Parts: sequence; structure tokens; C-alpha cells
Amino acid sequence: QSVLTQPPSVSAAPGQKVTISCSGSSSNIGNNYVSWYQQLPGTAPKLLIYDNDKRPSGIPDRFSGSKSGTSATLGITGLQTGDEADYYCGTWDSSLSGVVFGGGTKLTVL
Amino acid sequence: QVQLVESGGGVVLPGRSLRLSCGASGFTFSTYGMHWVRQAPGKGLEWVAVIWYDGSNKLYADSVKGRFTISRDNSKNTLYLQMNSLRAEDTAVYYCASDGVGATHIAYWGQGTLVTVSS
Repeated sequence: QSVLTQPPSVSAAPGQKVTISCSGSSSNIGNNYVSWYQQLPGTAPKLLIYDNDKRPSGIPDRFSGSKSGTSATLGITGLQTGDEADYYCGTWDSSLSGVVFGGGTKLTVL
Repeated sequence: QVQLVESGGGVVLPGRSLRLSCGASGFTFSTYGMHWVRQAPGKGLEWVAVIWYDGSNKLYADSVKGRFTISRDNSKNTLYLQMNSLRAEDTAVYYCASDGVGATHIAYWGQGTLVTVSS
């Protein structure tokens, strides 16, 4: 059971938009920055969003992040088949004194 | 560009030890915190440990506390994970990862090394 809660799967058609939620508590999301990672099949995770809503260099603006209270959301617009991957949220947990991740969400582009 | 290359994985008997290494390049290794994160087959990401940029502080997940030790050699740009008393549930791909600016997130990940604990 992960500390952060994500839906196991989401799906949408090419060109459409999808959102992935990440729910936590005051000891993690509520008082710390959230980051999002994309893991394509058979590869290492890659940073997509950091500090709740910032994109690293090279990440297209189709990817966006937001945070409100103890929840965060990853948005992906203009879906492409190449976006099919597992997506994880992560943050620091002040009570556990460690990094915590969501269980991951598998995105299917139909 | 940032490169993190793990090594040292393999098959090991339960109760035995293994040491993982991670060579870093493309950034000033000695100024960034470093993590180990693992992923069991078909499962999600699990944070294992973090070490401060200067080695002054180390934190561990409860699942490995007392059995695993994270360390670094800034003169060699290398991160280590000493794993003792290995269990079947430690079987996973182990990723070396670096903090981002401000230490608010994990920014870069290695390709991972597979550790299999089995008799």
C-alpha cells in the first residue's frame, strides 16, 4: 500500500487530454513539493514535473502539474501513442523522513 | 549531460550480502544529495535511502533500516549501497538517482541494476 494514492489506470484517445490524480496528507503533499515521473516500458523513470508545476528543460508544455492542499494532478494534453507509460507522483514525507511515491498510473492511449 | 551508471547487481542467496555502485558524471557530484530507489518486478517505485551531498546525513526506508548502508566517495564520484542480510523481498531493479536543484525532487536516474535474491 503506497503512501500516495493514484488511480491504477487511465485511458484516452490520441489528441485528447487526461489527468492523473495523486492524493496524500499534510505530512507529505500538504507541506512539500510534488514531482511527477514518466516510466516508459523497460526504461528508467524520467522527471516530468518538479516543484508542483515546473517542467525541466526538454519536457513539452503538453505536460502540466498542479497542487491543491493534500492532492496533486498531472495533466497531459494532445495525447500521443508515445505517451503510453507508467506515471508516478513523488514527494518528501516529513513524518517518515523519506521520499514517498504513488503506486503508479498506467496510461493507455487508445 | 548527467550520467549515472549502476553496477554490482546479480543473483545472491538469502542472508548474503551485495554491494552496488553508481558512477556519476556530467555534474558536480559532491554538491548533490543522492538516492537509491528500487522497483520489484511488475511493481511500483520504492525509495530506499538518501545521503546528503557531503555524507553528513543518511536516511533509510523502514524496510531496509539496519540491513542496508548508503555511502559515497566524492573523490571518485561514486555512490554505494551495501546490502546485508538480503531477503527474497529485496529482489528488484535498483536505481541510483540524484537530487535536483534545491533538493526538492529526484532529478536524474540511472538505468538500474537487477538484484535477485533466491536460493
